Amino acid sequence: QVQLQESGPGLVKPSQTLSLTCTVSGGPMSTGSLYWSWIRQPAGKGLEWIGRIYTSGSTNYNPSLKSRVTISVDTSKNQFSLRLSSVTAADTAVYYCAKVRAAAAVDYWGQGTLVTVSS
Amino acid sequence: QSVLTQPPSVSAAPGQKVTISCSGSSSNIGNNYVSWYQQLPGTAPKLLIYESNIRPSGIPDRFSGSKSGTSATLGITGLQTGDEADYYCGTWDSSLSVGVFGGGTKVTVL
Repeated sequence: QVQLQESGPGLVKPSQTLSLTCTVSGGPMSTGSLYWSWIRQPAGKGLEWIGRIYTSGSTNYNPSLKSRVTISVDTSKNQFSLRLSSVTAADTAVYYCAKVRAAAAVDYWGQGTLVTVSS
Repeated sequence: QSVLTQPPSVSAAPGQKVTISCSGSSSNIGNNYVSWYQQLPGTAPKLLIYESNIRPSGIPDRFSGSKSGTSATLGITGLQTGDEADYYCGTWDSSLSVGVFGGGTKVTVL
C-alpha cells in the first residue's frame, strides 16, 4: 500500500519560495510507469493541478504557474519535491502530493499540508 | 474558473439517486478518461472512479461513472448520510498538458 507524506514550512513570507517534500513509502517510486504530482486547494475552493513528474525526471506544469514552479524527484530517497517561487497570499492553500496513474487519475493522496503566505 | 464544469450542488433524500455532470471539451474529456473523487470535510480526496467507469477495489457499486462525448456523469444510488461530501471530476487536458478538475459539487442528503 503506497503512502505519501508532505513536509515543509507551514508559513512562508510573500515574495519568498515555498518548498515542500513528499516522502513515499510502501515501495520504490521507480517501480512501474508512475507519475507523481502536486495538487493544491485554497480554503473553501476546488482542486488545482500544479504539475507532475515522471520517475525519469520529465515534467508537466500548469501553464498558469509554470514560470514559478519546479518539481524534482530523488528516487534514491523515495521523495519528490515542489518549489514555488515569488509566492503571494493567493498561493495560500492545502498542498497535496499524490501518485497518479494514467489519464491523470490520482489513486493515492498525501494527507495534505497547509501553507500560509503571510508576513 | 475551472476547465471542467460541474453543478455547485445536488441533493436527494436517503435511498434515492443523484447524478453529477461534468462538462468539458475535446481537449480534455473528449479524448481522455475521466476520474471522480469524493472529499469528506477536512480530508484528502478519495478516488471513486477511474478510466471513466472503473471502481477501485473497495468502492461500493452504488457509485458508477459514464462518459459520452465531452461530458461525464457520476451516479450515486441508495444515497446515505455518509455520502454527504464534495465530489470532483478530473481528467488530462491534452492542450494544456496538465491535469484539470471540475469546480466540485456538494452532495446533500435531505
